[in-house]
Formats: sequence, structure tokens, C-alpha cells
Amino acid sequence: KAGVTQTPRYLIKTRGQQVTLSCSPISGHRSVSWYQQTPGQGLQFLFEYFSETQRNKGNFPGRFSGRQFSNSRSEMNVSTLELGDSALYLCASSLVGPGTADEQYFGPGTRLTVT
Amino acid sequence: GDSVTQMEGPVTLSEEAFLTINCTYTATGYPSLFWYVQYPGEGLQLLLKATKADDKGSNKGFEATYRKETTSFHLEKGSVQVSDSAVYFCALGGDSGYSTLTFGKGTMLLVSP
Repeated sequence: KAGVTQTPRYLIKTRGQQVTLSCSPISGHRSVSWYQQTPGQGLQFLFEYFSETQRNKGNFPGRFSGRQFSNSRSEMNVSTLELGDSALYLCASSLVGPGTADEQYFGPGTRLTVT
Repeated sequence: GDSVTQMEGPVTLSEEAFLTINCTYTATGYPSLFWYVQYPGEGLQLLLKATKADDKGSNKGFEATYRKETTSFHLEKGSVQVSDSAVYFCALGGDSGYSTLTFGKGTMLLVSP
């Protein structure tokens, strides 16, 4: 069974631009979560989608948004990029959701650098 | 809100040494507890989990016991290998389908031959 895939793996953008990251979950998984990982803040939860609905959102500004498609693939978008958005963005999928002791399967991440 | 506190790293050990990485948590309800591991350049992998008090999770020689009385979930391994070098994250999950994972800041483990 193929794992969680994220595209692109690396991205360099300029301040003020916007970016879209993509995540394809494991086949059959309906929950997709996104996390931002930085050396200073560690892993921070962005949002979680289940069956195309956002069920939970972390404490991030409105510049961060996401969506999930009917095939469970998910995208996240960051508009008006700031230097502080440079991070590794991780996607995780699971059958039911992160709150049920359901194992989260993580992708390799997208490394975003904002210059 | 929920929070997880891990010991700061890096933890440096020689091969075959005993490993302990401390993790304590604050949560309401009855959370599940997890240890994830991240190898360089990769995403996180679930190492072990425990879903209720006194449960012991174990995998690949690693163990952790869910201690509700001390709100702890310390990771242990009797004999580490160079291949165990990675960053280890303690996490807790809420007790409903709408809750999320809360991670500790991670502890880097470096094992030398």
C-alpha cells in the first residue's frame, strides 16, 4: 500500500507570494491533518479534514487555509508569505481521525523556504 | 489546554547504553499517548502508543508505560543502537474523534559506536 505522498518536496518562494502544497493520503484514509514544523516552535497543528469538512483548526492566521477533495486528497494554501512561514509542512492521514488513538501516517513533508 | 513536556536534547549515548527520555503531559479527559520517531529527512513514524492508564506500549525494543498518577509516559530502551539516532516526539491525542494530536518539542538522540 502506498504511503502518504506530499508534493512538492522542496519549494522556494519570495515574501508576498502565495503557495499551494498537496497531500495524497493512504488509500481508504478519510482524515488528513496538516502540521507546521520549525526548530523554534516544534510541531504545530494547522488543521484537520475529514470527508471534505474541516473539523479542527489550529491557532494560525487566516493566511493559512486548506481543503479536501472527494478522493480525500488535500491541499493547503498560504497567501502573502512571510519569512516566518519557512518550515517543514507535514501531512498525516488516518482512517478516522487523530483523536481516536488511530495511527497517524505521516508524509515526508514539504520544505518551504521564504526569501 | 493540553500540553506535552519532553526533556531537552540532545541525548548522547554510546551503543548498548540504556535510554530514558522523559515525557509528562497535561490533559483533560482520558487521552491516548504516543511516541513518534523522525529520522533525518523523513516524516514521523509511530513508534508505540498506549490508550489507557497502566497500558504499556512496546515496539522494536522501546517501551513506555502510561502513568496517570504521575501524568508521565517515559520512553525506555535497554540497549540502544547507532540506528536509533533520530528525533523522538511524545504526543497526546484527545478522547474524541474531533480532537487533535499535541506534540512535545522533540528530543534528539545521538548514539555513537
